[in-house]
Amino acid sequence: NAGVMQNPRHLVRRRGQEARLRCSPMKGHSHVYWYRQLPEEGLKFMVYLQKENIIDESGMPKERFSAEFPKEGPSILRIQQVVRGDSAAYFCASSRAGDLGYEQYFGPGTRLTVT
Amino acid sequence: AQSVTQLDSHVSVSEGTPVLLRCNYSSSYSPSLFWYVQHPNKGLQLLLKYTSAATLVKGINGFEAEFKKSETSFHLTKPSAHMSDAAEYFCVVSATGGGNKLTFGTGTQLKVEL
Repeated sequence: NAGVMQNPRHLVRRRGQEARLRCSPMKGHSHVYWYRQLPEEGLKFMVYLQKENIIDESGMPKERFSAEFPKEGPSILRIQQVVRGDSAAYFCASSRAGDLGYEQYFGPGTRLTVT
Repeated sequence: AQSVTQLDSHVSVSEGTPVLLRCNYSSSYSPSLFWYVQHPNKGLQLLLKYTSAATLVKGINGFEAEFKKSETSFHLTKPSAHMSDAAEYFCVVSATGGGNKLTFGTGTQLKVEL
């Protein structure tokens, strides 16, 4: 049973380019969460999605960031016109349900470097 | 609103001695609490979780934590540290009314010396 998969594992972008991060949840999981970890900090919640729905995007920056979880295919976190401050590790997690206490399984992360 | 405070950013122990990583939480609702471990350049692994059942929770690799409501604490312990325990540890809270989004502490870096 494959775990949560994220790709790419490492991504280098120049300022102004777009970054697309992909997350495939564990089999049987329909809830996806994205978190960002800045250097020397803990993870910060960004967005919570179910298939075709954004449930909570309270942690997403208002501009340049968007997320989707289509009916088919992986969840995508998209960052337009990247800036140096976007350099971070982005982790995706999935769970079987969105209820309190359901364990979230984390992927290995995508490390984004903006040059 | 919910938050966690990890009281030590770095902890250093000798191999074979006990480990104590401290965590205090704040939550407006009944919380679920977790400890996750992150090894260098790796993802996060769940060590253990508390979800309003037994207050003493046993996890993987010999770790355990005790939920103390009166002290709003959820400290992580292990009787005897092993070199492979060196990693970063995150105390995490999730609360009813907050969806299932996790709020992470800032992490405690555990160093294990010979």
